[in-house]
Amino acid sequence: DQQVKQNSPSLSVQEGRISILNCDYTNSMFDYFLWYKKYPAEGPTFLISISSIKDKNEDGRFTVFLNKSAKHLSLHIVPSQPGDSAVYFCAAILSGNTGKLIFGQGTTLQVKP
Amino acid sequence: ETGVTQSPTHLIKTRGQQVTLRCSSQSGHNTVSWYQQALGQGPQFIFQYYREEENGRGNFPPRFSGLQFPNYSSELNVNALELDDSALYLCASSLAGFETQYFGPGTRLLVL
Repeated sequence: DQQVKQNSPSLSVQEGRISILNCDYTNSMFDYFLWYKKYPAEGPTFLISISSIKDKNEDGRFTVFLNKSAKHLSLHIVPSQPGDSAVYFCAAILSGNTGKLIFGQGTTLQVKP
Repeated sequence: ETGVTQSPTHLIKTRGQQVTLRCSSQSGHNTVSWYQQALGQGPQFIFQYYREEENGRGNFPPRFSGLQFPNYSSELNVNALELDDSALYLCASSLAGFETQYFGPGTRLLVL
């Protein structure tokens, strides 16, 4: 039972354009969401997060949008850079359970120069 | 500030053997979580340790066990290794009560 889903295994965008990575979830008890980036041979690196009481959080080139009614979140990267090429994971946390991150399967982003 | 470190980086074992993986948490963090990442999948939560006690466990059998030490470092032990245990094992540290976890580089385990 996959509670967090990233339905696009891969995404390719041109340098300078917007990258939009999507994530869907099924459990309405999730109250915190995070995005991680992972390069080969490295551990996931925290990018940005959002609480369920918000619908948008922005940090530099990265913006996360949360649509609770649709149980959907997205990560926007503007402008995309070749160094952004990596695997992106969304993760969710159940209310009252900060210990356990529930991850999606990941989306591989390729940014072409 | 020191980040999360893990050792060893790679390990090859045979089926039935036992393995111990080690993790040092980021300075100032008192909670350690362990995850298993199979090829092409997202990390799966194994368990978390806080104040040297297990504080939540995922859907993994008892042959997966752990320890946390007074300096907040941690070990993951896996007994009776199976071929399906081949994966990247990730350790993450955090401060109790805060959601964001910071990951180490992982240990790649291959079971033959």
